[in-house]
Amino acid sequence: AQSVTQLGSHVSVSEGALVLLRCNYSSSVPPYLFWYVQYPNQGLQLLLKYTTGATLVKGINGFEAEFNKSQTSFHLRKPSVHISDTAEYFCAVSVRAGTALIFGKGTTLSVSS
Amino acid sequence: DTEVTQTPKHLVMGMTNKKSLKCEQHMGHRAMYWYKQKAKKPPELMFVYSYEKLSINESVPSRFSPECPNSSLLNLHLHALQPEDSALYLCASSQEAALEARHTGELFFGEGSRLTVL
Repeated sequence: AQSVTQLGSHVSVSEGALVLLRCNYSSSVPPYLFWYVQYPNQGLQLLLKYTTGATLVKGINGFEAEFNKSQTSFHLRKPSVHISDTAEYFCAVSVRAGTALIFGKGTTLSVSS
Repeated sequence: DTEVTQTPKHLVMGMTNKKSLKCEQHMGHRAMYWYKQKAKKPPELMFVYSYEKLSINESVPSRFSPECPNSSLLNLHLHALQPEDSALYLCASSQEAALEARHTGELFFGEGSRLTVL
């Protein structure tokens, strides 16, 4: 069965800093991988996704993630964060038809000035 | 702007009330979902409808009753709820049905309905 582990439930950084949010997955078959962001009192918004092809995926708001098959990771990165990036970030995996997304427990990103 | 619309945004109800949450999408998506999310937790899958038929029910108590009147609408009927059912209820849709081979799992979420049970 597939699973997702997000390392670090809370990450705090200063505005303009580089941020790395970690996600590792477990799957016996090639996965589809997603990062979603949830701002306070809102639903989930897709940041980026990996299905096939290039392993470096660029998403909205300057975020990017790299699929690493050997390390079973899909870490999210942003070179220079803004206060408006403060939100909850969820990594999710889907491995085959007939299953719904499996979410990680989430990482709260706090960006201060 | 989200293309999945949920109403109401906020709902307060007593344990004896009957209420409904509504969800609508006009993207031509073939599958629709209900998730429950408690504070600081990931969404938990409740139900999946594919081609207007219930395809997944994650052992949800019968006080939650889903309904899919057509391909664009999804309802969640609530009756005799408990205070622990208070949560954010999220609706989502996907282009392909969950059982189709090309289904990638990508979901489009609404902004949610925040339910408080007194």
